[in-house]
Amino acid sequence: EIVLTQSPATLSLSPGERAALSCRASQSVSSYLAWYQQKPGQAPRLLIYDASNRATGVPARFSGSGSGTDFTLTISSLEPEDFAVYYCQHRSTSITFGQGTRLEIK
Amino acid sequence: EVQLLESGGGLVQPGGSRRLSCAASGFTFSYYAMTWVRQAPGRGLDWVSIITSGGSTFYADSVEGRFTISRDNSKNTLYLQMNSLRAEDTAVYYCAKAPRAGGATNYFDYWGQGILVTVSS
Repeated sequence: EIVLTQSPATLSLSPGERAALSCRASQSVSSYLAWYQQKPGQAPRLLIYDASNRATGVPARFSGSGSGTDFTLTISSLEPEDFAVYYCQHRSTSITFGQGTRLEIK
Repeated sequence: EVQLLESGGGLVQPGGSRRLSCAASGFTFSYYAMTWVRQAPGRGLDWVSIITSGGSTFYADSVEGRFTISRDNSKNTLYLQMNSLRAEDTAVYYCAKAPRAGGATNYFDYWGQGILVTVSS
């Protein structure tokens, strides 16, 4: 089973700053990686699929990159509503999620 | 507009059973794979099960043999029958849909709001 490891566990930044969240797979997942955003008390929201494609309605400040084992979700300039928990996800023989990165206001 | 609405949650005793439902609308339900994902209090997302549009089913090792996923396309409803429940099954359970009709899916584009299942005596 593929394991996804996200780093850092917590990222403290200020609005307007750039955020880079990492997701590393235990073996190659090609470009089959998705990113979700989850705010307290809400369901996850799909942001990025197939490593670099923005989902419908996702602002352009969100971008995904990477392939193989190393992936990055970048938020170019943080808005107040971006502070949330972010998860990466892959499907192979089963569906796996990373443990999440909490993006908090500094 | 796609909507997914879970129901059936609540308090259940260890060893007990519960059936969750997910009522779907806004899309042709029978064409899409559907999944259940859970989240224990204060924890991350944990995949539970998936059912394809053709009815094939797959489970996480932690629920294999205890949980059964099914669908009723005539009612546009997804189900999760949970038996032999344990304290560690306590979680918010989300249903979610695949983004494309038929075939395999690598991610999920719409999610329900979730329903809490608490396993406790």
